[in-house]
Amino acid sequence: AQSVTQLGSHVSVSEGALVLLRCNYSSSVPPYLFWYVQYPNQGLQLLLKYTSAATLVKGINGFEAEFKKSETSFHLTKPSAHMSDAAEYFCAVTSLTDSNYQLIWGAGTKLIIKP
Amino acid sequence: GAVVSQHPSRVICKSGTSVKIECRSLDFQATTMFWYRQFPKQSLMLMATSNEGSKATYEQGVEKDKFLINHASLTLSTLTVTSAHPEDSSFYICSAVSGTGSTDTQYFGPGTRLTVL
Repeated sequence: AQSVTQLGSHVSVSEGALVLLRCNYSSSVPPYLFWYVQYPNQGLQLLLKYTSAATLVKGINGFEAEFKKSETSFHLTKPSAHMSDAAEYFCAVTSLTDSNYQLIWGAGTKLIIKP
Repeated sequence: GAVVSQHPSRVICKSGTSVKIECRSLDFQATTMFWYRQFPKQSLMLMATSNEGSKATYEQGVEKDKFLINHASLTLSTLTVTSAHPEDSSFYICSAVSGTGSTDTQYFGPGTRLTVL
């Protein structure tokens, strides 16, 4: 069965600093991994996804994530944080259930940007 | 592209009434739609998966008679919360997928905030 662990329910960084949000997964089959962002009182927006084409995936808003099979990780990074990056970030892995592909979600990490 | 809308964005109702939430894929045909519930400061909880033209598949612990899902067309799914109670107050989010593969992206609606008085 697939599972996702996001280390750190809250991450606080200064504006301009490196953002690193951690995601580790467990999967018995080659995983497909996603990062979504949720701004307050809004739905989720896809940041990026890994589908085995390339291990380093670039997404929107300057974010990128690297798939590391040996570490079972898919950490999200951004070189320089901006105030507008403050949001909740969710990592997810696909799981096949009853012929439908579902997303298995991490608990989320709230990113706080300090001025 | 890939826009999903939800209506209404907010609804306040009295206990015992029913509320219908619509989820529409505006620029693509959604073979599968998902309904989630999100409690404050928590991750999403999948309630059910619906495929167009067939009955929804509910997750364990979700009452199918209370949360009625209809996926009548490839662009519309509805969630009806029947006989709503205060504990049903939550943020309901739908998502839609155009394909059936594992790499297909789920596109999310903006969510509906339900408050039951």
